[in-house]
Amino acid sequence: EIVMTQSPATLSVSPGERATLSCRASQSIRSNLAWYQQKPGQAPRLLIFGASTRAIGVPARFTGSGSGTEFTLTVSSLQSEDIAVYYCQQYNNWPPITFGQGTRLEIK
Amino acid sequence: EVHLLESGGGFVQPGGSLRLSCAASGFTFRNYAMTWVRQAPGKGLEWVSIIGGNGDSTYYADSVKGRFAISRDNSKKTLYLEINSLRVEDTAVYYCARDPSFYGSGSLDVWGQGTTVTVSS
Repeated sequence: EIVMTQSPATLSVSPGERATLSCRASQSIRSNLAWYQQKPGQAPRLLIFGASTRAIGVPARFTGSGSGTEFTLTVSSLQSEDIAVYYCQQYNNWPPITFGQGTRLEIK
Repeated sequence: EVHLLESGGGFVQPGGSLRLSCAASGFTFRNYAMTWVRQAPGKGLEWVSIIGGNGDSTYYADSVKGRFAISRDNSKKTLYLEINSLRVEDTAVYYCARDPSFYGSGSLDVWGQGTTVTVSS
C-alpha cells in the first residue's frame, strides 16, 4: 500500500499571500496524483488531477506540481473562500486508492 | 448538470446491515466506474470500494472486504453499497464518487453530498 503524507497539518496564511501545501508518496506514483478541497460541511471537490491539470471550473490561482514522490499544491493569492482542508490522493497503484491525512488551510 | 445523490444511511446497532444507494443524473452512467469513499467524524477520507462501468470488476479496502458489497444497476443509473456486520468503526459519512474512466482510473471527478451511517449500541 502506498502511504501518502501531507505537510503541514495546518497552514495559516494571510489573505493575498501564497500558500504552499506538500504531499509525499512512499514510492513513486509518477504523475497519478489528485488534490481535493473540502470545505466545512461539504463533500470533497476535485481540484487537480494528473498532478498538475486543473479540473473544470477551478481558479487559476490553484497550481499543482511535482512527480514521482514529491508534490505541491500552491494557492498563489489566498482568498477567504479557499479556507478548507486539502487532501492529496494517489491512483497509480491501486487497490487501495490512498489519501493523505489532509492539510487544514486557515486565514491568518 | 452532473449530479450524485446518496441515500440509505441511518442509525444501526453493531452487527446490523444497511444498503446505501447513489442515484446518478446528468451523464451516461454506464460509461463510468464508480467509487465509495467514507469519512469518519473529524477524520480524513478513506477509500472503500470501486466498481467498473459494466459491474464486472470490483475492489475493496481490506477494512471492509468480506462485509461490504458494491453493485450497480445501469438501467436505473444507481450505485449501491451493501454493508453488513457493521462495527462501531464503520461510523462515517459515505460518499459516492464518479471515476472518469470506464474501468477505473482512481481519480474522482464528481462527488455526492454523502449519507451518514452511525453504528452504536
